[in-house]
Amino acid sequence: ILNVEQSPQSLHVQEGDSTNFTCSFPSSNFYALHWYRWETAKSPEALFVMTLNGDEKKKGRISATLNTKEGYSYLYIKGSQPEDSATYLCAFTPSGGGADGLTFGKGTHLIIQP
Amino acid sequence: GAVVSQHPSRVICKSGTSVKIECRSLDFQATTMFWYRQFPKKSLMLMATSNEGSKATYEQGVEKDKFLINHASLTLSTLTVTSAHPEDSSFYICSARGIQLGSPLHFGNGTRLTVT
Repeated sequence: ILNVEQSPQSLHVQEGDSTNFTCSFPSSNFYALHWYRWETAKSPEALFVMTLNGDEKKKGRISATLNTKEGYSYLYIKGSQPEDSATYLCAFTPSGGGADGLTFGKGTHLIIQP
Repeated sequence: GAVVSQHPSRVICKSGTSVKIECRSLDFQATTMFWYRQFPKKSLMLMATSNEGSKATYEQGVEKDKFLINHASLTLSTLTVTSAHPEDSSFYICSARGIQLGSPLHFGNGTRLTVT
């Protein structure tokens, strides 16, 4: 059973502040790490797919880093806005073929307070 | 961007009836689709991997005869919850992926099933 942990489980942030949260995953047999943004009543939206150790990806005010050797990824949001309120999911894809579904963490529920 | 349509979004049924949920990839071909179930306060749990033209691969603990999956075309997979019981009430969501391993999944909007 693959263990993907996200912390914190929930987070309240003041509008304008920056924030970050963590995803930890197995460091062996790594293929890819995905970040998704899931707003209530909408489909999860793919933010990043990260495959290389040391990778850093950016999309607007959101960025993510990846450390495959130690098995963690950080998601950063700069200058939080109310529209950033959502659940952020990370998901792990192992290498080696076989099951190619993703193993998800439980998500970080982010609430931006005006 | 890639769109996945899931229908219905919400269904209420009586215990003992069967419910079919459809998942369609609207603008791309999906050889593989995935079905997930979300329990309250828990993460998405993969139920099965659906491959076009072949039998689905079920995760451990998921009853094949209870959750029938059919992937008859490159754009459609269906999940049928047979003889539904109240404990089957949950949020079911499908996703589809393009050909390359590691490419992001595109999700449907999910189906909230309530069995009375």
